[in-house]
Parts: sequence; structure tokens; C-alpha cells
Amino acid sequence: NAGVTQTPKFRVLKTGQSMTLLCAQDMNHEYMYWYRQDPGMGLRLIHYSVGEGTTAKGEVPDGYNVSRLKKQNFLLGLESAAPSQTSVYFCASSSGTGWQETQYFGPGTRLLVL
Amino acid sequence: GESVGLHLPTLSVQEGDNSIINCAYSNSASDYFIWYKQESGKGPQFIIDIRSNMDKRQGQRVTVLLNKTVKHLSLQIAATQPGDSAVYFCAEKASGGGADGLTFGKGTHLIIQP
Repeated sequence: NAGVTQTPKFRVLKTGQSMTLLCAQDMNHEYMYWYRQDPGMGLRLIHYSVGEGTTAKGEVPDGYNVSRLKKQNFLLGLESAAPSQTSVYFCASSSGTGWQETQYFGPGTRLLVL
Repeated sequence: GESVGLHLPTLSVQEGDNSIINCAYSNSASDYFIWYKQESGKGPQFIIDIRSNMDKRQGQRVTVLLNKTVKHLSLQIAATQPGDSAVYFCAEKASGGGADGLTFGKGTHLIIQP
């Protein structure tokens, strides 16, 4: 199993450009998450999904959109990138069964917005 | 804009010594706790978890202690090795919390001195 994979690994955007980050998991997990990680801020939840076709907002959703068309994929979109969105983005997934919520993370995507 | 430096608590230990990393939580309703390890340039990696009905749990070279009275969690690493150098995060989940219920701490940077 590859676990959780993310593409691309690194991207540079100009302000106003758009892009989509792809997350894929092969663990048949129901729940998937997108976080951003900034220096000294820890992990902050952007959006999450509890199953195919569902999405919900997390702590910092503004400026981002997500889609979960297939169970194994969770896409994060930036419609008009801003320098404040320079960050490292992590995708995670979990089985979501009961209250045990161990989340398994991907390797991250480093995004620089100029 | 100006970049912000990384301001994480740091713990420096000698190789071979035991390490203790601490985490305080504020939500008395939290009933599930996880420790993650994040090496430079990688995603967080699950280490060990503990439920609120336990006060201690052991894994391979790691022990997690939970003190619900003072809302304190610790991770003990025995015989610290160079490969243990990383940032360690605690995470908590509140009882009845939904899929977005995991809250992450800001992390502690463990540095191993030769």
C-alpha cells in the first residue's frame, strides 16, 4: 500500500493564479482532510470529507474549495492564489469508525505564492 | 511579506538518554489523544495513541502518559537515537466530536546531541 499520496510535491504560483492539489489514499478510508502548516502555527484544518460526495469546512476554509468525487481522492483547489496561501499543505485520511480518529498523513505539498 | 521564523519549544537531549515531551490540553471533554512525529520535509507520522480511560500506554521505545486531573499528556522516548530527531505533535479529540474533532498542538522540536 502506498498509503496517502499527494501531487504535486512543490509548486510556485503567481498571485491570482489557480491550481488544484490532489490527494489519493489506498486504505479505503471514509474520512479525508486537508490541512495547512505554517511556521509556529501547527496544523490547521481547511476542509474535510466524511465520505464520497460530501465536504465540510474546517477551521480556515476561506480561499479554498474541495471536491470528493471518488472515495479515494480528495482535491483542494485555490481559485485565485494569494501570498497568504504560501504554506505546506497536508492531506490525511482516517477510517472514521467509532471515536478512534487516527489520521494518516501524506508527504505534503509546498506551495509558494509570489 | 516578511517570513515568520519557526518558534517551537525545543528539547535537546544526549543520544542514549531518555526524552520526555510534554503537552497540555485544555478541553476536559477530550477522550482520545495521539502523538505524531514529523521529520523535516515529511508529513506527520503516527506514533502512539491513548484513550481517556487509560493513564499509560507503551509501544516500542515509547510510552505515553495521561494525567486527566491536570490535563497533561507526555511522550517518553527511551534511549534516544539520532533518528528520533523531529518535531513531535500531540493531538486530542473531544468526546462526541465529529470528523473535524482532532485538535493539534504546535509541536516540540526534539534535537539529539551526539
